[in-house]
Amino acid sequence: EVQLVESGGGLVQPGGSLRLSCAASGFTFNNHEMDWVRQTPGKGLEWVSFISSRSSTMYYADSVKGRFTISRDNARNSLYLQMNSLRAEDTAVYYCVRENSDGNYFDSWGQGTLVTVSS
Amino acid sequence: QLVLTQSPSASASLGASVKLTCILSTGHISYAIAWHQQQPGKGPRFLMRVNSDGGHTKGDGIPDRFSGSSSGAERYLTISSLQSEDEADYYCQTWGTGIHVVFGGGTRLTVL
Repeated sequence: EVQLVESGGGLVQPGGSLRLSCAASGFTFNNHEMDWVRQTPGKGLEWVSFISSRSSTMYYADSVKGRFTISRDNARNSLYLQMNSLRAEDTAVYYCVRENSDGNYFDSWGQGTLVTVSS
Repeated sequence: QLVLTQSPSASASLGASVKLTCILSTGHISYAIAWHQQQPGKGPRFLMRVNSDGGHTKGDGIPDRFSGSSSGAERYLTISSLQSEDEADYYCQTWGTGIHVVFGGGTRLTVL
């Protein structure tokens, strides 16, 4: 069974930093591209960042470019999101998602971790 | 610009069928999409991929009551024999060169 378990969320002050982690299991992690998607409370889904299977390519949403960094450790079956210069509008539940090998669509989601940016 | 349009809300009676629609923007009508379900208080769950020819590939464990189809720029999710647990938000998602992933705004389905 595919499992994606996020951790690292919490309360942080504006301008602060946080590192999210996602532990993957139940599949061959290094065969899949991975993403982070977030959801502001009560709102829709927003794609945040993408990383290719071998970390050769990364993409970011304009809203986080220059502040967030995605990375992965295939030996540890783990995905990360380093978030710096956090703003109130970054407050959201962050989901780790797996891309299907047959297209850039998400076929597995984690349960999410809540990040709250507030003073 | 690649945009997905969904109606904000839909409703149908318990045991009935409902067809949700996701509309691709002009110039992108050949794109496949994916449907995701988000039940209240839970994370999203992948339901299926729907191609431009109407073919669809469902996720593991998705009941036969859920099916997908296409017509032109529209991609559909049909849920038959509605159950109370089908009350959820439904999002469509697509992907493309230059704009990695796009989500629709979501449709909130109410089961009456």
